[in-house]
Amino acid sequence: AQSVTQLDSHVSVSEGTPVLLRCNYSSSYSPSLFWYVQHPNKGLQLLLKYTSAATLVKGINGFEAEFKKSETSFHLTKPSAHMSDAAEYFCVVRQAGTALIFGKGTTLSVSS
Amino acid sequence: DTGVSQNPRHKITKRGQNVTFRCDPISEHNRLYWYRQTLGQGPEFLTYFQNEAQLEKSRLLSDRFSAERPKGSFSTLEIQRTEQGDSAMYLCASSFGGTGDEKLFFGSGTQLSVL
Repeated sequence: AQSVTQLDSHVSVSEGTPVLLRCNYSSSYSPSLFWYVQHPNKGLQLLLKYTSAATLVKGINGFEAEFKKSETSFHLTKPSAHMSDAAEYFCVVRQAGTALIFGKGTTLSVSS
Repeated sequence: DTGVSQNPRHKITKRGQNVTFRCDPISEHNRLYWYRQTLGQGPEFLTYFQNEAQLEKSRLLSDRFSAERPKGSFSTLEIQRTEQGDSAMYLCASSFGGTGDEKLFFGSGTQLSVL
């Protein structure tokens, strides 16, 4: 069965510093992986997705993620955090069929 | 594109009562999903429709839960004989496509509290 593990439940950074949100996945075949973001009182929004094309995936708002098969990782990064990046981030793997399996989430806090 | 709409935003009910939630997807989206999210957890898949056909159901969806999408447009999720453990945010999402990798658009959810 497919699953994802988000290694940090909470990450705190200062505005202007890099962001790293870590995700490991487990999949019996080549997975489709996603990062979604959830701002307070707003719906989940797709940041980026990996579907076996380029291993470095660029998303919205300056985020990117790198698929590393040897490490079974799909970490999310951003060079410079902005206050508006504070939110809950979910790493997601697509299960056989169509169901998306979400990780438990990482809360990103950004201080000025 | 008016987004995915869910009603009501909040529902408080007593244990044992039945509740029904409605989801209006983005028009022309052929797929509609229901997820459940509890505090501190990621959303958990419940079920999904392609047009009016319910194609996949999670084992989380007990026989007290039923979902419909009668005309391939809006969907309803009914919970019968609610239990306190049903308290959660119920999320609806829609998409257009057939690969499973297409972008999902989520609504803001219905927060259910069972007293």
